[in-house]
Amino acid sequence: AQKVTQAQTEISVVEKEDVTLDCVYETRDTTYYLFWYKQPPSGELVFLIRRNSFDEQNEISGRYSWNFQKSTSSFNFTITASQVVDSAVYFCALSEAGSNYKLTFGKGTLLTVNP
Amino acid sequence: GAVVSQHPSRVICKSGTSVKIECRSLDFQATTMFWYRQFPKKSLMLMATSNEGSKATYEQGVEKDKFLINHASLTLSTLTVTSAHPEDSSFYICSARPWETSTDTQYFGPGTRLTVL
Repeated sequence: AQKVTQAQTEISVVEKEDVTLDCVYETRDTTYYLFWYKQPPSGELVFLIRRNSFDEQNEISGRYSWNFQKSTSSFNFTITASQVVDSAVYFCALSEAGSNYKLTFGKGTLLTVNP
Repeated sequence: GAVVSQHPSRVICKSGTSVKIECRSLDFQATTMFWYRQFPKKSLMLMATSNEGSKATYEQGVEKDKFLINHASLTLSTLTVTSAHPEDSSFYICSARPWETSTDTQYFGPGTRLTVL
């Protein structure tokens, strides 16, 4: 069973639009961490956020915001007023205490922001 | 801080040769390093977990004799792709977990793009 599901394979938006990237996870652990990473065409992974399972507070960082809902096992990522530089593949990932905190990645969402 | 480097960034080799990729934590010590593989337009798949001073733990389906991992010091892990074939062409990414921080933290290297002709 897939532990991290990113149902959106590709999303295309026009600059200045808001866009939400979905992430649904599956775990039996009570202690776990959720992550979002950005991978631009260069390939290097850029860390965006880490959230532990005991902290359901939503977070905002500039144009980025994250909505963590344990009730629906979701950790969605919203980019407000998207820009061309936001074009990249975005990965959601899960690490669980029971797996020695190994990272399991979703399949990624390719976001293209058109001018 | 928390910088991880990989060398080389790109490598092209002939089929049948072996290629070594280095992963270094530049400003911290890492008791654990991870090696991932990413095919084009695919996700990152964990290949193995490398612990300093002990044998690496490989994920199911990863050939340990083909992908040799050595973690000889707290700042260096190497991945050697032995007798490389075109199907081994991929993007290899390492990450390092600092020993003094929480167990879930990993810092990623910039990746190594391997092309086997």
